[in-house]
This record gives sequence, C-alpha cells and structure tokens, in this order.
Amino acid sequence: DQQVKQNSPSLSVQEGRISILNCDYTNSMFDYFLWYKKYPAEGPTFLISISSIKDKNEDGRFTVFLNKSAKHLSLHIVPSQPGDSAVYFCAAITTGTASKLTFGTGTRLQVTL
Amino acid sequence: GAGVSQSPSNKVTEKGKDVELRCDPISGHTALYWYRQRLGQGLEFLIYFQGNSAPDKSGLPSDRFSAERTGESVSTLTIQRTQQEDSAVYLCASSYRGLGAGEQYFGPGTRLTVT
Repeated sequence: DQQVKQNSPSLSVQEGRISILNCDYTNSMFDYFLWYKKYPAEGPTFLISISSIKDKNEDGRFTVFLNKSAKHLSLHIVPSQPGDSAVYFCAAITTGTASKLTFGTGTRLQVTL
Repeated sequence: GAGVSQSPSNKVTEKGKDVELRCDPISGHTALYWYRQRLGQGLEFLIYFQGNSAPDKSGLPSDRFSAERTGESVSTLTIQRTQQEDSAVYLCASSYRGLGAGEQYFGPGTRLTVT
C-alpha cells in the first residue's frame, strides 16, 4: 500500500521556467512533509519541509504548498536551473511517533537549456 | 563537518551468502535509520534506532535481516542467506533527534547486487 505517491516519474522543464512536482498521500495521520533531492550515486539531501498547520513554506527558489483537504502537496522551483536536475522525493511523517519517513517513488526532473 | 558515511559503496555477492553493511552516522546524532531503494521504487524504511531505546524493526522484510547499533555510533545491517530480491541500494540516515521533525541526513548508500 503506497501511502505517498508521486504519479509523474519524470518531468522536463526549460531553464528559467517553473518546475512543479506533485505528491499525493493517503494517510491522514501524516502531519509533516518533506522534499528530498537526490543526485546519482549520492544519498538524498533535505530540501524543504512543511508542517500540516501551514499551507505554504518558501525558501529561496523553492516553495512547498500543502492542500490538506486534497491530501496533496507540491514543490515549485522557480526559476529552474540546470543544477536542479535530479530525482525529487516527497516524504511524510507522523510526528510524535517513531519518526520513520514514508517516501514516494520519486520524480526525475530534467532542466534543459 | 563529516557527513554520514557508509561502507562498502558497492557489494556484489552470490545468492545464499551473508553480507554486512556499515553506517557511521554524524557525531552527536542520536537517531539512526536504515532504508533501502529497489530499482524503480521509492525508499523503503527498514529499521530505526533512537538512543538506548529498543529499535523499531517494523520495516525489516524478513528474519534474514537484522541490524545492530553500538551506543550512538556505528550501525551494521546484516542480511543472511541473501536472495536476488535483496538487490537494492541500502541507505543509512541519522538525525539529531528521533521523534518530531524528520530532517534526516543520508549517507551515499551501499549498492548491493545479489547474483
């Protein structure tokens, strides 16, 4: 049972444009959400997070939006840069319990020149 | 400062053999996690250590998998009688605190191939 889903395995965006990566979840107990970025042969690196008490969190070029009623979150990258090309994983957690992350399957972002 | 390190970076083993994977977390991080990523899939939680508490083993796929952690330092993940479906990248992560927010720092992973 995939509790965190990233339905787009890949996305191609032109440099300078906006990249929008989507994530859906089914477990209503999740209350904290994270995005990780992964380059080949490296471990995932933390990018940005959002608590369920918020609907938006912004950090530079990266903004995460949370729609709790739809159980949906998205990561916006603007403007997209070639160095953003990587696999992006959405993850979710229920705070106050064993803090294992539940990950989506990832979306491969390719930013083209 | 030093990040999470894992060894070996690659391991090829024959079906039926035992393997041991090692993780050195960031110094001072009390929580340590093991995940694996099989081809085309997301990261799958395996086991979680927090300080001296009993580990959360709920993600271990079978009794062939076990893990140990010495205090708040090194951890080893052992897979006995490896099977081809064990082929995956095994990732270790550590964090300063276990319960609560989940900012976990990952190592580069060990790519295990069972032939």
